Amino acid sequence: NAGVTQTPKFRVLKTGQSMTLLCAQDMNHEYMYWYRQDPGMGLRLIHYSVGEGTTAKGEVPDGYNVSRLKKQNFLLGLESAAPSQTSVYFCASSLAGEAETQYFGPGTRLLVL
Amino acid sequence: GQNIDQPTEMTATEGAIVQINCTYQTSGFNGLFWYQQHAGEAPTFLSYNVLDGLEEKGRFSSFLSRSKGYSYLLLKELQMKDSASYLCAPMDSNYQLIWGAGTKLIIKP
Repeated sequence: NAGVTQTPKFRVLKTGQSMTLLCAQDMNHEYMYWYRQDPGMGLRLIHYSVGEGTTAKGEVPDGYNVSRLKKQNFLLGLESAAPSQTSVYFCASSLAGEAETQYFGPGTRLLVL
Repeated sequence: GQNIDQPTEMTATEGAIVQINCTYQTSGFNGLFWYQQHAGEAPTFLSYNVLDGLEEKGRFSSFLSRSKGYSYLLLKELQMKDSASYLCAPMDSNYQLIWGAGTKLIIKP
C-alpha cells in the first residue's frame, strides 16, 4: 500500500498562473481532505469530500476549487495563484469522518512569486 | 469561537520525560487527537482520546479531561528521534479537526 500520495512535491508559480494538485489514496477511504500549513499556524482545512462526487468547503476555501470524480482521487485547483497561497499543502484521507484517524500525504510545497 | 492553546516550543534531555499540554475550546467535542510531525514531513497519528483519563501506548501516553478542556501528551525515555512538532487536534461537533499550531520539541543529548 502506498497510502496517500501527492503530486507534485514542489512547484513554483507566478502570480496569476493556475495549477492542479493531485491526491491519491489506495486505502478505500471515503473521506478526503485538503489542508494548508503555514508557519506558526495550525493546519487549516480548505475543502473536503465525504464521498465520490461530493465536496464541501472548509475553513479557508477562497481561491481554491476541488473535484472528487473518483473515490481514490481528490484534486485541488488554484485558478489564479496569489502570493498568499504560498504554503505547504497536505492531503489526508480517513475511513469516515466520525472520529476516524486521518492519514496524510507527504505534502506539496508551493511557492507563488 | 474555537481555540487551541499549546506551548510553542519545549526543550528536554535525552532519556528524560516531557509533558506537552493542550487546552481547547470547541463547538462540541468528539474526541481529541495527537499527531507527530517531523520537520518537512507529514503529520502522523499518535493517539486518540474520547473519554476522560489516561491512554498509554508504549513510551507515549495521552490524557484527557473533558470538563477542563485539557489534554496532555507524555513522552517517556526521550530519544533524539522524538525531536518533532506535536499537534493537538480536538474534533468538534461537525467531526472536523481543529488544529493547534503545534509544540516544537527539541531533544538535547
